[in-house]
Amino acid sequence: DQQVKQNSPSLSVQEGRISILNCDYTNSMFDYFLWYKKYPAEGPTFLISISSIKDKNEDGRFTVFLNKSAKHLSLHIVPSQPGDSAVYFCAASANSGYALNFGKGTSLLVTP
Amino acid sequence: EADIYQTPRYLVIGTGKKITLECSQTMGHDKMYWYQQDPGMELHLIHYSYGVNSTEKGDLSSESTVSRIRTEHFPLTLESARPSHTSQYLCASSEYGGGYGYTFGSGTRLTVV
Repeated sequence: DQQVKQNSPSLSVQEGRISILNCDYTNSMFDYFLWYKKYPAEGPTFLISISSIKDKNEDGRFTVFLNKSAKHLSLHIVPSQPGDSAVYFCAASANSGYALNFGKGTSLLVTP
Repeated sequence: EADIYQTPRYLVIGTGKKITLECSQTMGHDKMYWYQQDPGMELHLIHYSYGVNSTEKGDLSSESTVSRIRTEHFPLTLESARPSHTSQYLCASSEYGGGYGYTFGSGTRLTVV
């Protein structure tokens, strides 16, 4: 049973605009949420995270928002750049020491 | 610069062969993980280890086995490869656990013909 869901397989955005990637989860025990970025033929790289005690975390062009009541989080990239084109995975953990559960990923294409 | 290394990057092998996918990390992390990913699908946890001589099966049933004899080394073995084992295998390590993030290797793309 998939506990982390990314319902949009792909997203296309123009350079300079905002990219919004969404993620839903079903396990109310999750309290750590992370976003990973993956280029073809490479392993995922950590992008940004948020714990359940916060509703927003910002790092440069990347901001993650968490809505616990809706069991929803989103990643905002502003402004989007062509180098941001990659697959983005949402991941969650029920405890900081536990393994991560991943979504299926959203393929982002940023066009010039 | 990668601190976690997976070899080989690509492997094409015949049915019935025994294979070992290597994973080594230089960060001294106690926690290590193996994930399996098919195109367009989520990463599935197949094995994990929280230290030397400690290994556990993950959420996705797998015919592979792992060992953890040294902190830095976490190899995955398939005794008899089958076409259904064709997938990408990703190794990761973490100092504190998933909530603090993993460092992933570059992965091994396995094709069994």
